[in-house]
Amino acid sequence: QVQLQESGPGLVKPSETLSLTCTVSGGSVSGYYWSWIRQPPGKGLEWIGYLYYSGSSGTTKYDPSLKSRVTISVDTSKNQFSLKLSSVTAADTAVYYCAREQGLWFHIWGQGTMVTVSS
Amino acid sequence: QSVLTQPPSVSGAPGQRVTISCTGSSSNFGAGYDVHWYQQLPGTAPKLLIYGNSNRPSGVPDRFSGSKSGTSASLAITGLQAEDEADYYCQSYDSSLSGSRVFGGGTKVTVL
Repeated sequence: QVQLQESGPGLVKPSETLSLTCTVSGGSVSGYYWSWIRQPPGKGLEWIGYLYYSGSSGTTKYDPSLKSRVTISVDTSKNQFSLKLSSVTAADTAVYYCAREQGLWFHIWGQGTMVTVSS
Repeated sequence: QSVLTQPPSVSGAPGQRVTISCTGSSSNFGAGYDVHWYQQLPGTAPKLLIYGNSNRPSGVPDRFSGSKSGTSASLAITGLQAEDEADYYCQSYDSSLSGSRVFGGGTKVTVL
């Protein structure tokens, strides 16, 4: 049974880079689409982007509104994938979820991690 | 402003049937892309409820059903129970946004 666990700092200063990691257990990171999704307090879900990794190469796609600030990467040796979001502001305060995609829907989710942007 | 439009809230008494609408456009539902639904109980991560318009993952009660027609979709909950009180989100793929997965704004279901 595949499980996902997000980890990373819960507090990031404005203008700095938010960095989170999703550890995949019970399965391989290879051969699947892996997404990051966030949810600002009291608001709805927002897709950030995905990584697809197979063999020795990966493909990424990002939401157009975040594309200039987002990087999603993979570490196959640790069976993890990561999110970096640069130049953060208070508007980036949210619960961040990692999820595995199947057929354009998200069928496995991590529990989420709260990230607050504040000085 | 979400690409998919949902009502902010719906409510019903225990045992009743409620429906949640999700309105899309020609670049998502109208282009043939499926709708998927998630249930988010308070303080928890979303959970897949319906995929591919009308399919339930193992373990989801058959009280939950989904459909899609044209540029609209809906989720129905029959025999409403107290534990169904949650936020519900629709989701699809939008071809106008360069590979974007898109969500509705969410609907809060209240059991009266």
